Amino acid sequence: DVKVTQSSRYLVKRTGEKVFLECVQDMDHENMFWYRQDPGLGLRLIYFSYDVKMKEKGDIPEGYSVSREKKERFSLILESASTNQTSMYLCASTPGGRLMNTEAFFGQGTRLTVV
Amino acid sequence: KQEVTQIPAALSVPEGENLVLNCSFTDSAIYNLQWFRQDPGKGLTSLLLIQSSQREQTSGRLNASLDKSSGRSTLYIAASQPGDSATYLCAVYYPNTGNQFYFGTGTSLTVIP
Repeated sequence: DVKVTQSSRYLVKRTGEKVFLECVQDMDHENMFWYRQDPGLGLRLIYFSYDVKMKEKGDIPEGYSVSREKKERFSLILESASTNQTSMYLCASTPGGRLMNTEAFFGQGTRLTVV
Repeated sequence: KQEVTQIPAALSVPEGENLVLNCSFTDSAIYNLQWFRQDPGKGLTSLLLIQSSQREQTSGRLNASLDKSSGRSTLYIAASQPGDSATYLCAVYYPNTGNQFYFGTGTSLTVIP
C-alpha cells in the first residue's frame, strides 16, 4: 500500500519555539508538498519540492521553511512559531517529474497548536 | 488564480439515497481532477482520479464524471451509507501553474441511518 507518514498527529508548542514537522513517503515519489488547512480557507500550499534539495514557494510561505535532503523525506520548519500558525498541516506526494500524471497521496495530518 | 467551487457546502441525506456532489472550475484547460474524502481530524484519502482525456471513472459505488468544456465534475454516490459521512473535496491540476493542485472548499456529507 502507498504510504505517506507524518511524524506526529498532534503537537502543542509555545510561541517562539522552532518547530519541525516531518513527512516520509515510501513510494519513490519525485514531488512532495506541504499544505495547511483552516476552516473557511480550505487547503493552501506552503511549499513544494520536485527533487532532492529543490524547493519552491507556494501561496503562503511566510514564516515557514522546508528541507529535502533525501527523496523520501520532506520537512516543514516553523522558525519561530506564532499563534496564527495554529492549524492542520498536511503533507502530500505525487510521482513523476514536473508533470502530475497520477494521483496525489496525503498523510494523516498534524494538528499543531501554538500557545 | 484558478478557482474551484463545490456546491453544496453541506448535505444531509437518509441512508440508501443516491446523491451527487458538484465541483466547478473556472479554467477548462485542466490536466487532471481528483476527488478526495476527508474524515474529521484526518488527512485526505484519494477516491478517484480523472485525466483530462477521460469522461468518467468508477470505483465501487462511486462514479466521477468530467465535462471540461463546461468546467464541471460530479461525484455520484450510489446507495449511500452512514460510513460515507465525511467531507468530500475536489482538486484540479493545471500544467504550468507551479506544479500545484487547486482545491475546492469541500462538501460536508451526513448520511442519516
